[in-house]
Amino acid sequence: GAGVSQSPRYKVAKRGQDVALRCDPISGHVSLFWYQQALGQGPEFLTYFQNEAQLDKSGLPSDRFFAERPEGSVSTLKIQRTQQEDSAVYLCASSPSDPEFRPQHFGDGTRLSIL
Amino acid sequence: RKEVEQDPGPFNVPEGATVAFNCTYSNSASQSFFWYRQDCRKEPKLLMSVYSSGNEDGRFTAQLNRASQYISLLIRDSKLSDSATYLCVVNVLSNSKLTFGKGITLSVRP
Repeated sequence: GAGVSQSPRYKVAKRGQDVALRCDPISGHVSLFWYQQALGQGPEFLTYFQNEAQLDKSGLPSDRFFAERPEGSVSTLKIQRTQQEDSAVYLCASSPSDPEFRPQHFGDGTRLSIL
Repeated sequence: RKEVEQDPGPFNVPEGATVAFNCTYSNSASQSFFWYRQDCRKEPKLLMSVYSSGNEDGRFTAQLNRASQYISLLIRDSKLSDSATYLCVVNVLSNSKLTFGKGITLSVRP
């Protein structure tokens, strides 16, 4: 079946612009995660949704970052007034709703470059 | 101290070599452990889960020592296709997020 789909694959923006990154999780997956991966580093957690509820946003680096999942499926990560340090790969992952933990499946990511 | 620390790299080994990666984690409440593999400019993919009893998948063996908060991955008879970055990953079930190590890059040469 289809995996986690992210768009756009690449995004270049000027400093100060707003950007929106989209994630389409695997069908039926209740949990959705956003991670940020800087060059040469492992992914860092940003935020977590269970259905439409944002249960953890402790990893969002500033109030310029905002995520939503209004209908419990597709999610959007928005970054306002982008800064150069926002340049990174943004990864989305989803997992099923089992009470027992299941590994997360990642999308290809959006590579964001801020000029 | 970072929550998950991995050996510094990179590792550059000949085909057929055995290579071992080590990882330590700081949160004793961690309950699930994984190794993910990430190819250049690609997404992380689950390589294997890690269990206290140790587990093996073909040429790959993973070990967990809860008392020492230590995880390892052993790759035997390495292949050119094993060249990638290997990420040590832990999870505290209460909050579901994955915590990644920095990753270690393996290059297998002919």
